[in-house]
Amino acid sequence: QSVLTQPPSVSAAPGQKVTISCSGSSSNIGNNYVSWYQQFPGTAPKLLIYENNKRPSGIPDRFSGSKSGTSATLGITGLQTGDEADYYCGTWDSSLSAVVFGGGTKLTVL
Amino acid sequence: QLQLQESGPGLVKPSETLSLTCTVSGGSISSSSYYWGWIRQPPGKGLEWIGSIYYSGSTYYNPSLKSRVTISVDTSKNQFSLKLSSVTAADTAVYYCATVAGTLEFDYWGQGTLVTVSS
Repeated sequence: QSVLTQPPSVSAAPGQKVTISCSGSSSNIGNNYVSWYQQFPGTAPKLLIYENNKRPSGIPDRFSGSKSGTSATLGITGLQTGDEADYYCGTWDSSLSAVVFGGGTKLTVL
Repeated sequence: QLQLQESGPGLVKPSETLSLTCTVSGGSISSSSYYWGWIRQPPGKGLEWIGSIYYSGSTYYNPSLKSRVTISVDTSKNQFSLKLSSVTAADTAVYYCATVAGTLEFDYWGQGTLVTVSS
């Protein structure tokens, strides 16, 4: 049972937009920065979004992040088949004194 | 561009100690810009933060693992290491090392190494 709650799966057609939610509490998302990671099977996660909505160099602007209250959202526009992957949110939990992650969301591009 | 590489045994017996090393290249582990962290992922499951260390030796551990975890740094070798004691099958996972940037995002990752706990 993860501290942060993500939907197990989402799907959308190529070219469409999809959002992935990450729900937490005041001890984590509500008062700390959120980051998002993309992971393809058999490979290490890759940082997509940090500090809620910033993209590292090289990450296309099709990927966006936002936060409101105790929830965060990853948005992906112009979906491509190459975006099929698992996506994880992460943040610091001040009550647990630990970095916590969501359970991950599998994106299928139909 | 920082590169990280995990190394260590791929098979550990139950009750023994898992030991892994992460070698950093393309930059100094003594950089004030980063902490250095370990994350693991059991097969088919999600990510779990194990702990992080600063080059000075300051450490932060996941409370759920704290009693069994030791993370250390060797600045002379540009490496940091993980020891996890009294392992069980539940510790079977891919173990990743990563850089931890200022707002606690993991921005550079090693490729990961699978450690299986089995007799």
